[in-house]
Amino acid sequence: GDSVTQMEGPVTLSEEAFLTINCTYTATGYPSLFWYVQYPGEGLQLLLKATKADDKGSNKGFEATYRKETTSFHLEKGSVQVSDSAVYFCALSDWNAGNMLTFGGGTRLMVKP
Amino acid sequence: DSGVTQTPKHLITATGQRVTLRCSPRSGDLSVYWYQQSLDQGLQFLIQYYNGEERAKGNILERFSAQQFPDLHSELNLSSLELGDSALYFCASSVGADGAYEQYFGPGTRLTVT
Repeated sequence: GDSVTQMEGPVTLSEEAFLTINCTYTATGYPSLFWYVQYPGEGLQLLLKATKADDKGSNKGFEATYRKETTSFHLEKGSVQVSDSAVYFCALSDWNAGNMLTFGGGTRLMVKP
Repeated sequence: DSGVTQTPKHLITATGQRVTLRCSPRSGDLSVYWYQQSLDQGLQFLIQYYNGEERAKGNILERFSAQQFPDLHSELNLSSLELGDSALYFCASSVGADGAYEQYFGPGTRLTVT
């Protein structure tokens, strides 16, 4: 079945550092890929998405590119802020089989001032 | 605020009991999804309803059931509760059932089984 693997955390960075969170996937079809963010005590919010190969999703300074050849969707941000501290989830949906999301294990990011 | 509401926010109950979690989707959304977030299993898809009909099933235990009502709100029923059922239960909604429709998540219900 479909699966998502992302780097384990926590990832601890200083403010203004460069962020990369790795995500790779396994899917039988042609999935759409997502990054969700979960702030403490809150639900999940969609951060960005990409629906086909070579698409780049971007939002709030975060970017990720759908790489079919490497089955990857790595999350990047050039300069993190303390307010970016949260748990980040990579996810996919195989839209041929409903729209349910398959999530990675989550990566906790801690940004220190 | 995603527009998806879930009640209650917290629930504490004993083993063997039964509880009902409620979800109201965003206005206009026909599809409702339930997910479980636990330390052991991470975030897992449980079940999806679309316009009142079951659309897809994931790793949902037989002790769990759900339904979507004509007004599109959904309820997740958990029975014969075990300690391992303690988790955050999220509801999400989207406009459609298939395709890359964005899912909007509610704030979750935290269930503690003692």
